[in-house]
Amino acid sequence: AQSVAQPEDQVNVAEGNPLTVKCTYSVSGNPYLFWYVQYPNRGLQFLLKYITGDNLVKGSYGFEAEFNKSQTSFHLKKPSALVSDSALYFCAVRDLYSSASKIIFGSGTRLSIRP
Amino acid sequence: EPEVTQTPSHQVTQMGQEVILRCVPISNHLYFYWYRQILGQKVEFLVSFYNNEISEKSEIFDDQFSVERPDGSNFTLKIRSTKLEDSAMYFCASTDGGLADTQYFGPGTRLTVL
Repeated sequence: AQSVAQPEDQVNVAEGNPLTVKCTYSVSGNPYLFWYVQYPNRGLQFLLKYITGDNLVKGSYGFEAEFNKSQTSFHLKKPSALVSDSALYFCAVRDLYSSASKIIFGSGTRLSIRP
Repeated sequence: EPEVTQTPSHQVTQMGQEVILRCVPISNHLYFYWYRQILGQKVEFLVSFYNNEISEKSEIFDDQFSVERPDGSNFTLKIRSTKLEDSAMYFCASTDGGLADTQYFGPGTRLTVL
């Protein structure tokens, strides 16, 4: 079965410091990986995805993610955190066995950036 | 930039009542989805819809649920007789199709069943 795991429920970072939100995946075959962000009272906003090619993927709001096949990881990163980055972040994988290409989400990581 | 829209943003209903949640997917998209997120839990897949029929559904999507695309723009989720455990945030999503394509989500409808 396809799955993603987010080992941290919460990540706390000081503004201006680099941030990392961790994600590992379990997929049979080539993974299609996504990061979404959910701000309070808002929907799920797409940040970035990895399909193939460069292992470093750049996305919205200065975020990037590094695909690491040997470690089966897809960690989300940002060089310098902003207070406005505080939100709930979801790693997700496309279900390769789904006829509808549905997405399977991780449990989410709450990112808190302190001023 | 095109976006998925959903109405209402919040629906409060009594147990046993029918509710209809509405979505307007991105106009040129072909695949439509409903997901839900019970408070504090994962976002989970409910159903997908393509070419005017359900293409896949989860175990959650039982006979109390139905989906419809009544016209060229709207996509609806109906719950015939709501239960307390149906209280959740319901998200609509759409995509062009294909494994590499991004699913774009709406802002969600918070359903509260009393």
